[in-house]
Amino acid sequence: AQKVTQAQTEISVVEKEDVTLDCVYETRDTTYYLFWYKQPPSGELVFLIRRNSFDEQNEISGRYSWNFQKSTSSFNFTITASQVVDSAVYFCALSIPGPKSSYKLIFGSGTRLLVRP
Amino acid sequence: EAQVTQNPRYLITVTGKKLTVTCSQNMNHEYMSWYRQDPGLGLRQIYYSMNVEVTDKGDVPEGYKVSRKEKRNFPLILESPSPNQTSLYFCASSPLGDGYYEQYFGPGTRLTVT
Repeated sequence: AQKVTQAQTEISVVEKEDVTLDCVYETRDTTYYLFWYKQPPSGELVFLIRRNSFDEQNEISGRYSWNFQKSTSSFNFTITASQVVDSAVYFCALSIPGPKSSYKLIFGSGTRLLVRP
Repeated sequence: EAQVTQNPRYLITVTGKKLTVTCSQNMNHEYMSWYRQDPGLGLRQIYYSMNVEVTDKGDVPEGYKVSRKEKRNFPLILESPSPNQTSLYFCASSPLGDGYYEQYFGPGTRLTVT
């Protein structure tokens, strides 16, 4: 089966706490891409990061960091010193080859993060 | 401004009344896709299009139709809507359908079928 699991349905933290959002994926493909998207309360989906299956280098962007580990099929997302504006639903997604040279994007069920002041 | 637009943003309709949700992008993207978002299920792909006149089914295509006559437009058609199609719908586009590029999403259309 090819799927993305975000086991944490909802996380609540107090501002300035660090928080990690877990993402575990399953695929038989050797070439694939992983994404994180943010959906703030306003509803739009915002791209955060992409990783390809051959690049296990971790990435840091300001307060955000991502840890990609092929050995455990995980692509976790950490927010350091969380802020109220980080409150959103976060989706992890897996892009894999589909029919007719297409690619298919499979989303996890999302993790709702609430950052309390 | 580069964007994906959807109309209408909100729609309440009755079972069986045909409707169309429009989607347009101004970025000359080849790939376009429709998703539905339901609580606890994330986003699921309905249909996608690799380019003009090339469309294919996603994971949940039943009850939906699409067409891609022009590069910029990708309307979603519900011929006979039913209550189980009540959902939040997103249109998305990306430069190519090669899996590498992130998708740019429209603002969403909240559909209620009574």
